[in-house]
Amino acid sequence: GIQVEQSPPDLILQEGANSTLRCNFSDSVNNLQWFHQNPWGQLINLFYIPSGTKQNGRLSATTVATERYSLLYISSSQTTDSGVYFCVLRRGQNFVFGPGTRLSVLP
Amino acid sequence: KAGVTQTPRYLIKTRGQQVTLSCSPISGHRSVSWYQQTPGQGLQFLFEYFSETQRNKGNFPGRFSGRQFSNSRSEMNVSTLELGDSALYLCASSLEGDRGKYFGPGTRLTVL
Repeated sequence: GIQVEQSPPDLILQEGANSTLRCNFSDSVNNLQWFHQNPWGQLINLFYIPSGTKQNGRLSATTVATERYSLLYISSSQTTDSGVYFCVLRRGQNFVFGPGTRLSVLP
Repeated sequence: KAGVTQTPRYLIKTRGQQVTLSCSPISGHRSVSWYQQTPGQGLQFLFEYFSETQRNKGNFPGRFSGRQFSNSRSEMNVSTLELGDSALYLCASSLEGDRGKYFGPGTRLTVL
């Protein structure tokens, strides 16, 4: 099956800093999404981004499908950005979550 | 608009029992999918329903089953519970497919 890697596994930032999270995958995919799981366990859909670049406020994402990676950018981080960020891929019937990047933003 | 609701929020069962979890999607959403989250295996896809039909299924044993009703509400059932079934079970709904997917708060199942 398709393999998904996310880096870094853990990231600690001071409030206001910028960060880049990376998702690498082993095969072509039908679509790719980024989700944020907050410290209370709630999963929130950030981007549906099978290719190209999208921006939503302080967050943006870029997927280069031909090179099999996606990047999530967080600018001017806030403490509410803390949690785990997952990239999630669909290939046919297979729907695969990456292992996640755990982000801690310190005040 | 109310979000995705899951009941119960917490559940404790013993090995060998069965359990049924419920998910009510956002009004108008016809696609419901289920996921299991454990510390060891992370998040894994269980199955997806659209208009009462199972469209996709993850790699879980037959003890895990689900269904969707005509009002789009969905239930998942786990029979003959094992200790390893202890997990957070999440459901998500969307109008159709993966775009615009909203997750519920989850049901935390503990198997003793």
